[in-house]
Amino acid sequence: NAGVMQNPRHLVRRRGQEARLRCSPMKGHSHVYWYRQLPEEGLKFMVYLQKENIIDESGMPKERFSAEFPKEGPSILRIQQVVRGDSAAYFCASSPVETSGGIIQETQYFGPGTRLLVL
Amino acid sequence: AQKITQTQPGMFVQEKEAVTLDCTYDTSDPSYGLFWYKQPSSGEMIFLIYQGSYDQQNATEGRYSLNFQKARKSANLVISASQLGDSAMYFCAMRETARQLTFGSGTQLTVLP
Repeated sequence: NAGVMQNPRHLVRRRGQEARLRCSPMKGHSHVYWYRQLPEEGLKFMVYLQKENIIDESGMPKERFSAEFPKEGPSILRIQQVVRGDSAAYFCASSPVETSGGIIQETQYFGPGTRLLVL
Repeated sequence: AQKITQTQPGMFVQEKEAVTLDCTYDTSDPSYGLFWYKQPSSGEMIFLIYQGSYDQQNATEGRYSLNFQKARKSANLVISASQLGDSAMYFCAMRETARQLTFGSGTQLTVLP
C-alpha cells in the first residue's frame, strides 16, 4: 500500500513564476491537508480539502495561493507569482474518513514533502 | 498563547539509554488528540504515536511511549533504549475540533555512541 506521494520533491522557481505542487493521498484516504515548514520551524497548517471541496483554508495566504482536490487526480497546491519568502518545504498529509462519530481519531500520514526554492 | 510548547530545542542521550521529550499543550476543547512525529535529516515526517484525550491508558508503540498527564496538559514522549537512528527532530502536535494539526517548534535529539 503506497504512502502519500508528492511531486516534485524539489522545485526551483524564479521570482514571478508559478509553482504547482501535487499530492496523491494514501489509498482509501479522502481527506487531504497541506502544511508549510519554513527553515528551522515546525509545520504550519494551510488548507484542508476533501474531494471537490475546500473545508478549511484559514491558514492559506489570501493572495497568490490556491488549492484544489478534484474528483479525479491528485490534490494541487498552486502558488502564483512566487516570491523569495515562499521558499519552504510543503507537506501534504492524508487521513481516512472518520468512522466513529463524536471522537476524532484518525491519524494524518505525511508525504515526503516538496522543497520549493525561489531564486 | 502557544497551543503546543516544546521547551527543549536540543537534547542529547547516550545510546541504549532512555530519553524524555517534553510537550505541553493548551486547549479548551474536551475532545482532542496528541501526536508525535519524527523528522530525520532526510526531511520526511514519520508518525510515531497518538494519544486521545479520552484514552485512559498511556499510548505505547514499541520503544515509544507517551506520558499523558491530562491535568497538567502534558504529553511527553519517552524513547527507551535509544538507537543512533533515533537522532532526528521530534515534533509534538495537537488536533482539536478543527481537523488540522498544530505543531510545536520541535526538539532536535542527538543520540551519542
